Amino acid sequence: DTAVSQTPKYLVTQMGNDKSIKCEQNLGHDTMYWYKQDSKKFLKIMFSYNNKELIINETVPNRFSPKSPDKAHLNLHINSLELGDSAVYFCASSAHLSGRAYEQYFGPGTRLTVT
Amino acid sequence: RKEVEQDPGPFNVPEGATVAFNCTYSNSASQSFFWYRQDCRKEPKLLMSVYSSGNEDGRFTAQLNRASQYISLLIRDSKLSDSATYLCVVNTNAGKSTFGDGTTLTVKP
Repeated sequence: DTAVSQTPKYLVTQMGNDKSIKCEQNLGHDTMYWYKQDSKKFLKIMFSYNNKELIINETVPNRFSPKSPDKAHLNLHINSLELGDSAVYFCASSAHLSGRAYEQYFGPGTRLTVT
Repeated sequence: RKEVEQDPGPFNVPEGATVAFNCTYSNSASQSFFWYRQDCRKEPKLLMSVYSSGNEDGRFTAQLNRASQYISLLIRDSKLSDSATYLCVVNTNAGKSTFGDGTTLTVKP
């Protein structure tokens, strides 16, 4: 009964490949997020979706394309992977009422290594 | 200037010590505030929300000073299991969450 789940947990791939990471939450939240945590452990928001609509899109290369088929899922597709994409990617979800975001619940992370 | 700034530490303290972390934020329109904890190779987890009047949860006390735009976390009677990275999080009304870079705490026997 994991609240926020991500697959895969580990992903090793070569430069130039295209890969996807999936995220699902069973908390009934209407907002989901993707974060990137680099080797220095800094956690940076990439995207946020509220009710399947993109509400936050930070400065992220357009090789990264999120997709939310429904409120419970937010997937991340990455084209033409580069060495600098190596990081841990966290999915998170939260309730979001009247413009206020509540505390976030994180998935276990996907450790992406690009060789 | 970063939107949310924390002293990165590391803080190395003996068991039983009291330790305090501070966090400053630049957006005066920020509405909600949190402290998260992240263990090595794990996901961040909510430690506590921070309310205007200050709040306490066992050995942990969080305070907010809107005028000075900082929040703090006080840990009393430190345990070995408190060793982790503590992340300050600030939310705006637009629903954006900004995480600080974290403060690393190591509690030693």
